[in-house]
Amino acid sequence: NAGVTQTPKFQVLKTGQSMTLQCAQDMNHEYMSWYRQDPGMGLRLIHYSVGAGITDQGEVPNGYNVSRSTTEDFPLRLLSAAPSQTSVYFCASSYSRQGYGYTFGSGTRLTVV
Amino acid sequence: ELKVEQNPLFLSMQEGKNYTIYCNYSTTSDRLYWYRQDPGKSLESLFVLLSNGAVKQEGRLMASLDTKARLSTLHITAAVHDLSATYFCAVDMRQGAQKLVFGQGTRLTINP
Repeated sequence: NAGVTQTPKFQVLKTGQSMTLQCAQDMNHEYMSWYRQDPGMGLRLIHYSVGAGITDQGEVPNGYNVSRSTTEDFPLRLLSAAPSQTSVYFCASSYSRQGYGYTFGSGTRLTVV
Repeated sequence: ELKVEQNPLFLSMQEGKNYTIYCNYSTTSDRLYWYRQDPGKSLESLFVLLSNGAVKQEGRLMASLDTKARLSTLHITAAVHDLSATYFCAVDMRQGAQKLVFGQGTRLTINP
């Protein structure tokens, strides 16, 4: 049981480049989310999904796209990287039933130069 | 807009002492979560609090929720060095979607 797997762990991009952060979970969780963590600001929600084919925007969605074609996978796409997107990105998943907290992946540290 | 505020943001304490971290939130919610994060690591779920008056304990940590006061507390009893970490509370914005709004985090340092 791998839990929530994020790849890559580290990435350096040049301004304007695009890339996809991968997230996969093997727990059959309905809910999946992407957060970014910046120093002194806690975590902020980028996009989330309540099931395959259903996604919605969070607090800071600009510059990011998501899709959820399967229950297991929830990739995050950076369309045109900007230095302001330098951050640590966490993917998380959970059951839809009450009583369960999110399981977080190990994170992707992204630097945009 | 839901806002979640933790205090203190930084806490340095000695082993053996007791202390409390506070988490206030601005709008009605009855689902609150506590997480622990070690430097450079992911977040580990500590407690899920789902109703007014909920109290949960694990080892030296105890969390409670008062939905009327919009306040949760994380109490540390007889602190030990291994509890040094950053602690986050997070509140569910909306039922059915688990959109979490996080506090800024409390960096806890426990000195021998």
